[in-house]
Amino acid sequence: EDQLVESGGGLVQPGGSLKLSCEASGFTFSNYWMNWVRQAPGKGLEWVANIDEDGSVRYYVDSVRGRFTVSRDNAKSSVFLQMNSLRPEDTAVYFCVRAIGGSRSYWGQGTQVTVSS
Amino acid sequence: QSVLTQPPSASGTPGQTVTISCSGGGSNIGNNPVNWYQQLPGRAPKLLIYGDQRPSGVPDRFSGSKSGTSASLAISGLQSEDEADYYCAAWDGSLKSYVFGTGTTVSV
Repeated sequence: EDQLVESGGGLVQPGGSLKLSCEASGFTFSNYWMNWVRQAPGKGLEWVANIDEDGSVRYYVDSVRGRFTVSRDNAKSSVFLQMNSLRPEDTAVYFCVRAIGGSRSYWGQGTQVTVSS
Repeated sequence: QSVLTQPPSASGTPGQTVTISCSGGGSNIGNNPVNWYQQLPGRAPKLLIYGDQRPSGVPDRFSGSKSGTSASLAISGLQSEDEADYYCAAWDGSLKSYVFGTGTTVSV
């Protein structure tokens, strides 16, 4: 059974850092682009970043470019999101998503990130 | 700020057909496949439609279509379990970003 399990969320002060992890199982991780999508409380979905199969291509939404870094470790079937210079508006549930635009799209259950003093 | 526009809400009675629109531009819907996601209350989103196809397990009551820079999702034979938020999405070649619609809450 395909699974994506996010971890690393929590409460952090403005300006702080947090690293999210997403561990995959049940499928060949290295065959897929991976994505991070977030959802602020009571709001819609916002795509944050993605990374290609071998980690050589990465894209970011404008609001996080220069602050967030997406990476992956295919040997550990994991994708990461390093978040620096966090702002209150980064508060959201962060979802790890496999192949977001294709037939094999699959979402994790999400991890909560709260940026507050 | 979403670049794809959806109506905030839609409703119908059991058995009716509800249609949700999604308006975008040439750099997203106009040149890339549109995907639709369903988010049940308190749950993670799930892929409902990719392009004009349904993943296995998705009932054929759900169908997607596209014309120019707009797309739509139709839910026929509406059921109570269809109450959820629905989002359209597409890759935007100009922004180099995957963009979501503003979301539509469907009530039955």
